[in-house]
Amino acid sequence: DGGITQSPKYLFRKEGQNVTLSCEQNLNHDAMYWYRQDPGQGLRLIYYSQIVNDFQKGDIAEGYSVSREKKESFPLTVTSAQKNPTAFYLCASSARGQRYGIGYGYTFGSGTRLTVV
Amino acid sequence: GDSVTQMEGPVTLSEEAFLTINCTYTATGYPSLFWYVQYPGEGLQLLLKATKADDKGSNKGFEATYRKETTSFHLEKGSVQVSDSAVYFCALRSLYNQGGKLIFGQGTELSVKP
Repeated sequence: DGGITQSPKYLFRKEGQNVTLSCEQNLNHDAMYWYRQDPGQGLRLIYYSQIVNDFQKGDIAEGYSVSREKKESFPLTVTSAQKNPTAFYLCASSARGQRYGIGYGYTFGSGTRLTVV
Repeated sequence: GDSVTQMEGPVTLSEEAFLTINCTYTATGYPSLFWYVQYPGEGLQLLLKATKADDKGSNKGFEATYRKETTSFHLEKGSVQVSDSAVYFCALRSLYNQGGKLIFGQGTELSVKP
């Protein structure tokens, strides 16, 4: 079955460390997204990519970096510059709106919970 | 810019009660509308959608009708169960908004008591 896989499910980071969250999809989707969710809060967009080798900053990109070298993969690095990284991180993918229309929603992974120790 | 506004939670209901979660939107053009559900500790799942005015999306006993005249997409269920306890997100997607990115509301937490 096609889907989107995030790993690990739980991640612990020490102060000053960079950590990388994995996101892989086999849905043949062009577009991929990273969101951050804090307790009791909505979703905030970190980065998104509409096509391989291209990505754009979302609303809260500071302290994060991404790459999109393959269509299937969109890893997120939480750098030491991110002062408050403890949160639930969600990855999503979708068919690109400009090409396939807007009738499709996003498919989400099951999330990675990052905690600073 | 485009936006989605949901009723604030938490919403607490007894089992078998009627549920309404209000959602209104502001958008250029003709967006598609979605409801997502998030169970504790999990990602979001698509619950239902509607792509044009007067369309009704439905799934698992939940329904929502795309009302262009009132710019609304309220979520309803006739009889909720404890297992419906989750956070519900309303969202829209429009080509006029940065190439079709989903715009989410803040989410409404639903708690159903036995």
